[in-house]
Amino acid sequence: DAGVIQSPRHEVTEMGQEVTLRCKPISGHNSLFWYRQTMMRGLELLIYFNNNVPIDDSGMPEDRFSAKMPNASFSTLKIQPSEPRDSAVYFCASRLGSSDEQYFGPGTRLTVT
Amino acid sequence: AQSVTQLGSHVSVSEGALVLLRCNYSSSVPPYLFWYVQYPNQGLQLLLKYTTGATLVKGINGFEAEFKKSETSFHLTKPSAHMSDAAEYFCAVSTAGNKLTFGGGTRVLVKP
Repeated sequence: DAGVIQSPRHEVTEMGQEVTLRCKPISGHNSLFWYRQTMMRGLELLIYFNNNVPIDDSGMPEDRFSAKMPNASFSTLKIQPSEPRDSAVYFCASRLGSSDEQYFGPGTRLTVT
Repeated sequence: AQSVTQLGSHVSVSEGALVLLRCNYSSSVPPYLFWYVQYPNQGLQLLLKYTTGATLVKGINGFEAEFKKSETSFHLTKPSAHMSDAAEYFCAVSTAGNKLTFGGGTRVLVKP
């Protein structure tokens, strides 16, 4: 099993640019989660999907952030326009059942200058 | 609503000594409880989980945790620390079908 795949692993961009982060969950998992990790705020849930449908997006910081899951094997997190305070490590995780653990990807380290 | 409190953002232990990481949770319904470990520049990896049944849960790398409902605790222990245990550890709680809520994390330093 390849695990959760995230791309890119590192992204450096200038303020104002659009950033798209990608995630491929583990095959067969029906829930997908996007997290952001920073030194100041720790690990925060941004949004999660169940069967490709967004269930809870209350953690999305503002309208500059959007997430989609067009099918069971792919999700994107987009930031437009990006700002320096968006610099963080963004993790994607997937889960099979409601009581099961989440499997995390390796993360995307985003730096906005 | 659910929440997790991890006591101590940093813990330092000597190699071979007991590792004890404290986690207290609040949940209005029976919780599912998890411990994850994060090594530098990596994602989170599950150490162990409690859902139902036996309250003493054994995980990978010699770690174990005990669910104590009366104390709303799920402390993580390892009898003898190894240098490879240096990492950040996160306690998390969820309820059926719901999202995980993570604690703030505890960074473990192992001294030779």
